[in-house]
Amino acid sequence: DSGVTQTPKHLITATGQRVTLRCSPRSGDLSVYWYQQSLDQGLQFLIQYYNGEERAKGNILERFSAQQFPDLHSELNLSSLELGDSALYFCASSVEGLEGGPQDTQYFGPGTRLTVL
Amino acid sequence: DAKTTQPPSMDCAEGRAANLPCNHSTISGNEYVYWYRQIHSQGPQYIIHGLKNNETNEMASLIITEDRKSSTLILPHATLRDTAVYYCIVRRPSGSARQLTFGSGTQLTVLP
Repeated sequence: DSGVTQTPKHLITATGQRVTLRCSPRSGDLSVYWYQQSLDQGLQFLIQYYNGEERAKGNILERFSAQQFPDLHSELNLSSLELGDSALYFCASSVEGLEGGPQDTQYFGPGTRLTVL
Repeated sequence: DAKTTQPPSMDCAEGRAANLPCNHSTISGNEYVYWYRQIHSQGPQYIIHGLKNNETNEMASLIITEDRKSSTLILPHATLRDTAVYYCIVRRPSGSARQLTFGSGTQLTVLP
C-alpha cells in the first residue's frame, strides 16, 4: 500500500459524458502527478500540481483539466469523452524535496480504470 | 531526459537472482536512474534509484557502470510475485517539473 488513494476504482460511461477522478496523496506530500496508461500509448504523464498550483503539463488534452485543493487532494476532470479515452489513470504523489533525495520519490495509487462505451 | 533501452522480456527461475539490464548511453552527469515495476495493471511501484554509486535497499540492488551508460537492477532471490514489467527511467533534474517518462520496460517472468 503506497498510501495514495484513488476513487473510483472503475468507471464506465458513454461517449460525450464528463467524469471526475479523485486522488488523495500520501500524508504530507505536496506534489500530485496524473498519468494515463492506455494499451497503445503506455504510461504517459498528464499534469503535475504542487501545493495547489500547476507545475508542469504533459500530453494532456484540452478536454481534460485538473486541480489541487487546499487539503491537497486532486481531481482530474475528463469531458466530451471519446472511446480513445478508455485507459487506466494513475495518480502519484511526492514530498518533492531535494532533487534525487528520498523525498523526491513518486508513489503511485492503484489507479482508476475508465471505460468509455 | 535520456533515452533508455531495455530488453522486452526476460525469464528467471524462482529463487535465482534476476538481473535486468538498461542502456542509457546518452545520460548526462546530473541525471538520475530510477527503477519502477508494475504488476499486472496495478500502480507502478518504486524500487530504487541512483546517480553514480551502486545502491541497495530491501527490494533490490542497482549497479551503475562507471561511465554511467548502463545499469543493472538485481533482484537477489526472485519469487513468483516479482513477475512484472520493470521500467528503467532516466530523469533530468528540472527544478519544479519532475515527471517520470516511462518507456516500454522489460516483462520479467519468474518461473517456478
